[in-house]
Amino acid sequence: NAGVTQTPKFRILKIGQSMTLQCAQDMNHNYMYWYRQDPGMGLKLIYYSVGAGITDKGEVPNGYNVSRSTTEDFPLRLELAAPSQTSVYFCASSPLTNGYTFGSGTRLTVV
Amino acid sequence: AQSVSQHNHHVILSEAASLELGCNYSYGGTVNLFWYVQYPGQHLQLLLKYFSGDPLVKGIKGFEAEFIKSKFSFNLRKPSVQWSDTAEYFCAVIPGNTGKLIFGQGTTLQVKP
Repeated sequence: NAGVTQTPKFRILKIGQSMTLQCAQDMNHNYMYWYRQDPGMGLKLIYYSVGAGITDKGEVPNGYNVSRSTTEDFPLRLELAAPSQTSVYFCASSPLTNGYTFGSGTRLTVV
Repeated sequence: AQSVSQHNHHVILSEAASLELGCNYSYGGTVNLFWYVQYPGQHLQLLLKYFSGDPLVKGIKGFEAEFIKSKFSFNLRKPSVQWSDTAEYFCAVIPGNTGKLIFGQGTTLQVKP
């Protein structure tokens, strides 16, 4: 049972490039989330999904997009990378509104 | 806007000292409350959670937290810290049935041996 799997673990992007951060869970959880973690700022919710085909904005959605075509996958898309998007990104899943399981994170640097 | 506030950004303690980390939230309705811990280089792990019932919640590794509804608080406590408790601690709240887990800014705990 892998839990929540994030790929890649590290990535360096140039300004203006695009990329997709992958997140997959094998626990059949309905709820999935993307957070970014910056020093001294805690975790900020970017987007979340309550089920396949349903997504909603969190606290800091600008510059990001998501999709949820299946229960298992919740990719996060950066279309035009900016230095302000340098951060550690965490994906999480939950069966309802409790019991969150976090992935191991993706460290992204935009230069 | 819904928010979570942790009072201390950086706490330094000696081993065996008692710990209390403050957490307040701004939401008037029903809440689910959590404390997470993040050890250096690792992802978040759940310490304890409160949904309903006894407001004093016991978690892993000797941690406990008390929900005081009238104060909108959910403070984390441990009677005697160990060096291995050095980590960052996050309070988090789900307001109502929103499904959104909102985090505080975190408290870095450093325990000196």
